[in-house]
Amino acid sequence: GAGVSQSPRYKVAKRGQDVALRCDPISGHVSLFWYQQALGQGPEFLTYFQNEAQLDKSGLPSDRFFAERPEGSVSTLKIQRTQQEDSAVYLCASSLAGMGPGTEAFFGQGTRLTVV
Amino acid sequence: GNSVTQMEGPVTLSEEAFLTINCTYTATGYPSLFWYVQYPGEGLQLLLKATKADDKGSNKGFEATYRKETTSFHLEKGSVQVSDSAVYFCALFHTGGFKTIFGAGTRLFVKA
Repeated sequence: GAGVSQSPRYKVAKRGQDVALRCDPISGHVSLFWYQQALGQGPEFLTYFQNEAQLDKSGLPSDRFFAERPEGSVSTLKIQRTQQEDSAVYLCASSLAGMGPGTEAFFGQGTRLTVV
Repeated sequence: GNSVTQMEGPVTLSEEAFLTINCTYTATGYPSLFWYVQYPGEGLQLLLKATKADDKGSNKGFEATYRKETTSFHLEKGSVQVSDSAVYFCALFHTGGFKTIFGAGTRLFVKA
């Protein structure tokens, strides 16, 4: 596709419900990132994949958060037993190569998750 | 740890005014520095970048110079347009890790 695509764009979940957020990166992009953006804040790093390997998951806030990229392309971020503090915009980004100085990442429009 | 601090918004300017959005960072060594822009209803886009001290990044009339002595990367534009209304994020990437660290963002409104 032309850019990074995320779905759904909006998701309302009841507290305790599980959710799955999808990211389709730009075709051929090696690196994929997930970020969480709270209202009025900058994006906060969650996790990083290089192809199918999850090389950094240090930003995942709890063991309720899980991400996968089984075939090195599409990625899914899963949140189990959602809590109100999980309400945020979840951003996916991809880049052509592995991360290095000046590497540009291309961002999707995000999924806005609201937990009620 | 590494961090980015940018001026709080919103910033409201009239068309053709001069823009400065301040950004300072804390990091060891020599991070790469970025400005990203988020237009209404769109995803984050890279605006400009600089990868070493004294480099100047520029794009669409915007400029920022990587100043190691002041640990700053201020964004400037000589004459803003209504179409520049957006949220601007300063960010850094430190080699050896995988994460880009963002500031909180500065919302810019430009009035006709």
